[in-house]
Amino acid sequence: NAGVTQTPKFQVLKTGQSMTLQCAQDMNHNSMYWYRQDPGMGLRLIYYSASEGTTDKGEVPNGYNVSRLNKREFSLRLESAAPSQTSVYFCASSEHRGSSTDTQYFGPGTRLTVL
Amino acid sequence: AQTVTQSQPEMSVQEAETVTLSCTYDTSESDYYLFWYKQPPSRQMILVIRQEAYKQQNATENRFSVNFQKAAKSFSLKISDSQLGDAAMYFCAPLGGSNYKLTFGKGTLLTVNP
Repeated sequence: NAGVTQTPKFQVLKTGQSMTLQCAQDMNHNSMYWYRQDPGMGLRLIYYSASEGTTDKGEVPNGYNVSRLNKREFSLRLESAAPSQTSVYFCASSEHRGSSTDTQYFGPGTRLTVL
Repeated sequence: AQTVTQSQPEMSVQEAETVTLSCTYDTSESDYYLFWYKQPPSRQMILVIRQEAYKQQNATENRFSVNFQKAAKSFSLKISDSQLGDAAMYFCAPLGGSNYKLTFGKGTLLTVNP
């Protein structure tokens, strides 16, 4: 099992460009998450999907959109990238959000730079 | 809202020795979970250990164990027989609340000296 995979690993954008970060998990998890990590900080939740067909805002959702494509895949879109969105982005998944099986497993991260 | 404090920005330990990383948190919940994650230079976030708040017994995973003091809201991580591969940033993260949020501390950078 690959666990949680993310593409791309690195990306450089110019201000105003758009892009989509892809995430997939093969653990048959119901819940998926997108986080960002800024220097000297822990992770902050951008959006999550508790189950297929649902998405909700996290702590820092502004400037982002998400799509839960199916049970395996959860994408994060930046419509008009800004330098403040320069960060490392992590996708995570857990069996069931809000339950005793809500242990989150993380992907390898995407380092995004917006010039 | 949950807050997490990791009071040691950096720690160092000699190989084969024991080190303890501190974490305190603030929550009004009675039922929650606590995690330690490790982030090596590869950047991958790796689960180290998990503790259920309703359990009095401290969790252990091989060389990793926790000292969970619920009343004091303290959740420290002990690494025994430290190895070079343990060098990483360690994050404490409680999970709970009405929105079941996983809240990360700012991390402790652990260096292991040969």
